[in-house]
Amino acid sequence: DSGVTQTPKHLITATGQRVTLRCSPRSGDLSVYWYQQSLDQGLQFLIQYYNGEERAKGNILERFSAQQFPDLHSELNLSSLELGDSALYFCASSPSGGDTEAFFGQGTRLTVV
Amino acid sequence: DQQVKQNSPSLSVQEGRISILNCDYTNSMFDYFLWYKKYPAEGPTFLISISSIKDKNEDGRFTVFLNKSAKHLSLHIVPSQPGDSAVYFCAASGSGAGSYQLTFGKGTKLSVIP
Repeated sequence: DSGVTQTPKHLITATGQRVTLRCSPRSGDLSVYWYQQSLDQGLQFLIQYYNGEERAKGNILERFSAQQFPDLHSELNLSSLELGDSALYFCASSPSGGDTEAFFGQGTRLTVV
Repeated sequence: DQQVKQNSPSLSVQEGRISILNCDYTNSMFDYFLWYKKYPAEGPTFLISISSIKDKNEDGRFTVFLNKSAKHLSLHIVPSQPGDSAVYFCAASGSGAGSYQLTFGKGTKLSVIP
C-alpha cells in the first residue's frame, strides 16, 4: 500500500459528460502528480501541484483541469468526454516539489461509452 | 516524439536466470532515472533509481546500469523469481525541465517461468 488513495476505482460514463477523479496523497506529501495511461501507452504526465499551486503542466488537454485543496487532496476534472479519454488515470505524491521518487495510487479506470 | 524508449514489449526468463530490461533516452537534460514495477490492477511501485553522476546502483537482486554516452540504461534482476513477473517501466526526470515530472517509457512485460 503506497498510502496514496484514489477514488473511484472504476468509472463508466457517456461521451460529452464530465467526471471528477479524486486523490488523497500520502500523509505529509505536498506534491501531487496526475498521469494518464492509455492502451499500449506509457504513463503520460498531465499536471503537478505543489502545496496548492500548479507547478508543472504536461500534455493536459484544455478540457481537463485539476486543483489541489488546502488539505492537499487533489481533483482531476475531465469534461466533454470523448471515447479516446478512456484510460487509467494515476495520481502520485511526493514529499516536496523537487522529489524524483513519486508514490502512485492504484489508479482510476475511466471508460467512456 | 518518445524521449524514453523501451523497445522490448515483453521478455520471458527462466526462474533463477538473469533478467535484463533495457531503456534508451534521447533528452540530454535527463539526470535521474528510475525503474517502476507494476502488477495488474495496481499502481506503479518504485523499484530502484540512479543519478547521472553514477554508472551503477545496486539494491539486493536489482542492479541498474547507466551508460550516459550511449543514453542507455538497463535493469538486471538476479536471480529472477516468479514474483518478479510484472510490467517494468523506465522513467527519467531532469531538473532542467523546471520540475521533477517523470517521463515514462511504454513498459516491458517480464514473465519469469518457474
